[in-house]
Amino acid sequence: DAKTTQPNSMESNEEEPVHLPCNHSTISGTDYIHWYRQLPSQGPEYVIHGLTSNVNNRMASLAIAEDRKSSTLILHRATLRDAAVYYCILTLNRDDKIIFGKGTRLHILP
Amino acid sequence: DGGITQSPKYLFRKEGQNVTLSCEQNLNHDAMYWYRQDPGQGLRLIYYSQIVNDFQKGDIAEGYSVSREKKESFPLTVTSAQKNPTAFYLCASSPSTSGVFIGELFFGEGSRLTVL
Repeated sequence: DAKTTQPNSMESNEEEPVHLPCNHSTISGTDYIHWYRQLPSQGPEYVIHGLTSNVNNRMASLAIAEDRKSSTLILHRATLRDAAVYYCILTLNRDDKIIFGKGTRLHILP
Repeated sequence: DGGITQSPKYLFRKEGQNVTLSCEQNLNHDAMYWYRQDPGQGLRLIYYSQIVNDFQKGDIAEGYSVSREKKESFPLTVTSAQKNPTAFYLCASSPSTSGVFIGELFFGEGSRLTVL
């Protein structure tokens, strides 16, 4: 089981912000939330991670709900190069598996 | 430069043949992982290893085997017992595992296996 739930696909216009949601209702107190993205025919690349507080880096922001059962990846100004599959995953301390779901395919419209 | 190297990038195999995919990392990472990806699908975990000489089955280990004799290397063998081996295979590593923040996952560029 992926442990996270994401929409299959989303669409956004270029140069507009994008909010990618992720539900993880079974998260435990010590599980980290990671986001990765995958361009066609490439391996996924790290985007951002967080535990409880909101996080910002040069690629994106991560907003984590107060109860930690959901999070949102925010791309502040989407470009065509941001078109990819975005994966939200949990690093589970209950076991050592790192499970990826199907992710969200983000389409950027010029 | 540090990173993960997978080889070969493309591989063709006849039915009934075993094939081994190489994964090497020079990041000094403890944990390594193998994932399989089918067209339009997410990543599914095959095997993972937290430490040298130890590894665990993931969700789809049947028909695959691995070894972890060196920290830097985690080869995956796709055996003839794997019924549908045509897929994109991804290797990853992370600095640590098991109860602490694992750090960032680093992925290789993948190996695309086609069974003829």
